[in-house]
Amino acid sequence: AQTVTQSQPEMSVQEAETVTLSCTYDTSESDYYLFWYKQPPSRQMILVIRQEAYKQQNATENRFSVNFQKAAKSFSLKISDSQLGDAAMYFCAYRAEWNYGGATNKLIFGTGTLLAVQP
Amino acid sequence: DAGVIQSPRHEVTEMGQEVTLRCKPISGHDYLFWYRQTMMRGLELLIYFNNNVPIDDSGMPEDRFSAKMPNASFSTLKIQPSEPRDSAVYFCASSSRQETQYFGPGTRLLVL
Repeated sequence: AQTVTQSQPEMSVQEAETVTLSCTYDTSESDYYLFWYKQPPSRQMILVIRQEAYKQQNATENRFSVNFQKAAKSFSLKISDSQLGDAAMYFCAYRAEWNYGGATNKLIFGTGTLLAVQP
Repeated sequence: DAGVIQSPRHEVTEMGQEVTLRCKPISGHDYLFWYRQTMMRGLELLIYFNNNVPIDDSGMPEDRFSAKMPNASFSTLKIQPSEPRDSAVYFCASSSRQETQYFGPGTRLLVL
């Protein structure tokens, strides 16, 4: 069974600095998707970034980028120029490649990393 | 698009009462998911539908929980009878096939 591990329950960063959140996963599949979701105090789950396993290039969305190491099964999130609004719980999630007729379309979440941004 | 819509946003009820949570997915999405978030268990999938048909309900905790999707634009998650341990935030999400799942704002349920 697939698992997702976030080993940092809490992290802190100074405003304008860079922080990296760690995520590792375990799977025997070769094709899959990885996601980072942000959950601010409002509890809304907001997609931050998505990575397809077949793509070697790391995904980037403005100040957010990932370091995807497929062989190591590692998927870290880097937040550059941290802002107060980045303070939230961040969840790493895995989803198998979509499969006709198979029950593989569910997201498997890590336990989350609570990020605090200090002014 | 309005995104995934959930109602109610907050629900407080007494143990033993029936609770119904509602979800309207994003138009055009053919997958709908129900998740539950608790401090103890984190985020877990309860059930998901494809084209209104339940595909995987292995996460539904027990017979007190049931979910339906009568049409492409509406789904319900029902708990009957409710218990204090059902207190959680319930999320609905939708996607189209290989695309990203988009979450609704969640329903915060408190069972007294």
